[in-house]
Amino acid sequence: NAGVTQTPKFRILKIGQSMTLQCTQDMNHNYMYWYRQDPGMGLKLIYYSVGAGITDKGEVPNGYNVSRSTTEDFPLRLELAAPSQTSVYFCASSYSTGTGVFASNNQPQHFGDGTRLSIL
Amino acid sequence: GQQLNQSPQSMFIQEGEDVSMNCTSSSIFNTWLWYKQDPGEGPVLLIALYKAGELTSNGRLTAQFGITRKDSFLNISASIPSDVGIYFCAGQLPNNNDMRFGAGTRLTVKP
Repeated sequence: NAGVTQTPKFRILKIGQSMTLQCTQDMNHNYMYWYRQDPGMGLKLIYYSVGAGITDKGEVPNGYNVSRSTTEDFPLRLELAAPSQTSVYFCASSYSTGTGVFASNNQPQHFGDGTRLSIL
Repeated sequence: GQQLNQSPQSMFIQEGEDVSMNCTSSSIFNTWLWYKQDPGEGPVLLIALYKAGELTSNGRLTAQFGITRKDSFLNISASIPSDVGIYFCAGQLPNNNDMRFGAGTRLTVKP
């Protein structure tokens, strides 16, 4: 299985440009997540989704947008790139058998290999 | 209040030594996870803990979910060179799927 696949692996943007980071998973996981990791730091949650058509803000959502039209795909959009968005971005997915929007019995997350984004 | 404090930041040890790292918070977490990250790769799950007081082993790794639900530790016994990497703790907040990560412990093992 491919697991969680992120594209591109590397990208350099100019300030003000826009781009979409792609993430797809083939494990039929209902939950998907986007994190950013700054040098020497842990991961910070940007947005997450508990299923197709449902998205929620995480800890650091400003400057980003997401959509979840299918179970497999969870793209992350940067509309006006800023230097502060230079980071490594990780997508993750997990499976939950809980009921309702907020489930407490999530399985652990599986991560992609990351997209290294530099904004100059 | 929902941040995780992970310590130590870095460790330099001799091959064969045991290692211990921990995470604490002022908030309660439902799940504690420990990940290892190698350069240029995403985090890989090592151990997941789901109940307060739970003690779980995975080979040479042992982790515990603190009884107060506000802390967790990870022990690595008889370290080997391939244990080198950055170890992250993570906690799932109650009643939602929001996650918090510690800042990581960078482990160096000298042969």
